[in-house]
Amino acid sequence: DAGITQSPRHKVTETGTPVTLRCHQTENHRYMYWYRQDPGHGLRLIHYSYGVKDTDKGEVSDGYSVSRSKTEDFLLTLESATSSQTSVYFCAISEGAGANVLTFGAGSRLTVL
Amino acid sequence: TQLLEQSPQFLSIQEGENLTVYCNSSSVFSSLQWYRQEPGEGPVLLVTVVTGGEVKKLKRLTFQFGDARKDSSLHITAAQPGDTGLYLCADPSGGSYIPTFGRGTSLIVHP
Repeated sequence: DAGITQSPRHKVTETGTPVTLRCHQTENHRYMYWYRQDPGHGLRLIHYSYGVKDTDKGEVSDGYSVSRSKTEDFLLTLESATSSQTSVYFCAISEGAGANVLTFGAGSRLTVL
Repeated sequence: TQLLEQSPQFLSIQEGENLTVYCNSSSVFSSLQWYRQEPGEGPVLLVTVVTGGEVKKLKRLTFQFGDARKDSSLHITAAQPGDTGLYLCADPSGGSYIPTFGRGTSLIVHP
């Protein structure tokens, strides 16, 4: 019944290589978000999108870029992965901003060696 | 951006015990959400509280929103191993109306 899927779920890569994580939704929600989750830091927002081709930075956006060419897909790209980007990445969706419910994907675990 | 402080950071208890976790801020929340995240999964919304002094119950979980809307608590009665997980509070109307999260309370309930 998942309305949001992330791929890949697990990835191991080397420092300096590009990495793209994909978030796909079937709910037709306007807002999509990328968070990273690290021990002791909780969930931190990387980038978010409020419509096709409309994106904005979160609190930890350095080293990341995003694209949203279709309502259903939100891509997170690490142009040149670093070990500090080893993390679990979560995509989330919501119908609108403010007091809306976030629905999260199952996460993508990225290890940068 | 409003800072959400959660305590305790970790909690390890035996099945059947009661517990309370807290979420505090120096600023007023317009509303506050609690999520639970089980190992290997994404967070799932438990409840949204909106009105100061509001109390909501979800089976053995009781959520309270402070009168001044600067704090919230989650009380679990007779904890069970299935309650194990990370409990996150969130301000859904954070900076630019983008949700911001506390660091969470990691709960382990031992059989």
